[in-house]
Amino acid sequence: DAGVTQSPTHLIKTRGQQVTLRCSPKSGHDTVSWYQQALGQGPQFIFQYYEEEERQRGNFPDRFSGHQFPNYSSELNVNALLLGDSALYLCASSMRGTGFSYEQYFGPGTRLTVT
Amino acid sequence: AQSVAQPEDQVNVAEGNPLTVKCTYSVSGNPYLFWYVQYPNRGLQFLLKYITGDNLVKGSYGFEAEFNKSQTSFHLKKPSALVSDSALYFCAVLILTGGGNKLTFGTGTQLKVEL
Repeated sequence: DAGVTQSPTHLIKTRGQQVTLRCSPKSGHDTVSWYQQALGQGPQFIFQYYEEEERQRGNFPDRFSGHQFPNYSSELNVNALLLGDSALYLCASSMRGTGFSYEQYFGPGTRLTVT
Repeated sequence: AQSVAQPEDQVNVAEGNPLTVKCTYSVSGNPYLFWYVQYPNRGLQFLLKYITGDNLVKGSYGFEAEFNKSQTSFHLKKPSALVSDSALYFCAVLILTGGGNKLTFGTGTQLKVEL
């Protein structure tokens, strides 16, 4: 049973560029959440997708956007990158439809470095 | 605002001794509480959760946590620590809204188990 997968593992971008991160949820899960973890801090909630719609959003600017596909996989897009966007980006999946599960399962993360 | 607090940045314990990692919460309504562990350059691994029921919750790798409503605490415990338990531990609360749900994390506690 495959867990949550994320790609790429590492990414280096320049200020002002745009980046797309990808996530495939755990088998059987229909909800994807994205978190940003800056160095030495706890993860911060970015947004959550269910049924291909953004359902909840944290305190992040509109430069952060996302998408969920019919197969439940998801993308996180960040435009106009800033140095402060350097962080570990974590994807978490959970079940919201039939058989709601409270726990979220995390992928290994994508380490984004903005130079 | 609903939140969790981890008062200790670091906890040191000798192998074989019991360990406790502290967490307190501030939540309106019923709290849904979680513990996650993070190893270097890795995502978060789910350890255990409290939703309702018994105040003592058992989880993965021999960890358990005690929910104490009067003290608004949810401390993580293990009877006998292993060197391999050394990692970063996060307490989190799940916040449910009409639109979705999100995890709010504490600042993390670095556990160091020494021989």
